[in-house]
Amino acid sequence: DQQVKQNSPSLSVQEGRISILNCDYTNSMFDYFLWYKKYPAEGPTFLISISSIKDKNEDGRFTVFLNKSAKHLSLHIVPSQPGDSAVYFCAALPGNTGKLIFGQGTTLQVKP
Amino acid sequence: DAGVTQSPTHLIKTRGQQVTLRCSPKSGHDTVSWYQQALGQGPQFIFQYYEEEERQRGNFPDRFSGHQFPNYSSELNVNALLLGDSALYLCASSPPGLIYEQYFGPGTRLTVT
Repeated sequence: DQQVKQNSPSLSVQEGRISILNCDYTNSMFDYFLWYKKYPAEGPTFLISISSIKDKNEDGRFTVFLNKSAKHLSLHIVPSQPGDSAVYFCAALPGNTGKLIFGQGTTLQVKP
Repeated sequence: DAGVTQSPTHLIKTRGQQVTLRCSPKSGHDTVSWYQQALGQGPQFIFQYYEEEERQRGNFPDRFSGHQFPNYSSELNVNALLLGDSALYLCASSPPGLIYEQYFGPGTRLTVT
């Protein structure tokens, strides 16, 4: 039972344009949502998070949007840079458990 | 300040053998979580240790066990290895009171033949 889904395995974007990565979830009890970035041979690196009581959180070039009624969140990267090329994971946190539930990941390629 | 470190980097074992993976958390962190990442998938939660006790467990069989030491470092043990245990094993540590802030190590790549 996949509680967090990233339905797009890959995304290719031109440098300078917007990258939009999407994530859907099924459990309305999730308290927190996070985005991680992963380069080859490295562990996931935390990017940005959002509480379930918010609908938007912004940090520099990264903005996460949460639509609770649709059980959907998205990560916007503007402007995209070649160094953003990596695998992006959406993760959700049920309650105060510390048990992150990850999606399958989306590989982003930003072309110069 | 060193981040989360894991050893070894790579490991090859034979079916039926046992393996121990090690993790040292970031300085000041007291909670350690372990995840298994199969090829093409997201990480899956195995268990979490706090105060040398297993605090939470994911959907993994008893062949997977762990330990946390007084210095907060941790081990993951897998007995009776199966081919399907081949994966990247990730350790993450969290600072006191902030278990949703998880900082990951580079992982140990386990191959079972």
